[in-house]
Amino acid sequence: DIQMTQSPSTLSASVGDRVTITCRASQSISSWLAWYQQKPGKAPNLLIYKASSLESGVPSRFSGSGSGTEFTLTISSLQPDDFATYYCQQYNSYSGTFGQGTKVEIK
Amino acid sequence: QVQLVQSGAEVKKPGASVKVSCKASGYSFTSYYMHWVRQAPGQGLEWMGIINPSGGSTSYAQKFQGRVTMTRDTSTSTVYMELSRLRFEDTAVYYCARDAEEAALDYWGQGTLVTVSS
Repeated sequence: DIQMTQSPSTLSASVGDRVTITCRASQSISSWLAWYQQKPGKAPNLLIYKASSLESGVPSRFSGSGSGTEFTLTISSLQPDDFATYYCQQYNSYSGTFGQGTKVEIK
Repeated sequence: QVQLVQSGAEVKKPGASVKVSCKASGYSFTSYYMHWVRQAPGQGLEWMGIINPSGGSTSYAQKFQGRVTMTRDTSTSTVYMELSRLRFEDTAVYYCARDAEEAALDYWGQGTLVTVSS
């Protein structure tokens, strides 16, 4: 199985900060990488698919980049609604491993 | 609009089995694969497997091989996930999620809490 490693596990930031989360795959997944936001008690919400494509309705302050084994999610200016947990997921060849998550907390 | 509606919470004893349903509406059921993902209390997301509602083919995470069975009923647009030989550590919220191919998992069910308790 492909392993996904996210960093950091926790991130403390302030409103207006630029935030970057990294995800590494144990082998190349081309661009089959998605990012999700999850708030407590809710199902995950798709933000980015195919590494850099913004899901419809998602604010443009969210962006994704990378290919192969290294990927990043960037929030250009953190807003109060963005304090949540973020997960990357590889979806390649009928599998779908998640990273362990990054909790974005208020500094 | 696309909706995935899951069955209600379950309480099971260790060693028992649980079967969770996910009823799809608002799109062509057989045109999209469906994933199952679980989340233990306070933990991250864990991918369990995928089913093709059209032909019924499945692929399971190695961790769940031999214990999980995913099936579908095209007449009711429903997919099922059955987990057997339940252990305390199987206590989790179980989600179904639609696979939009290039667009990843674009719609999710509301989640079903399965509690394993003696």
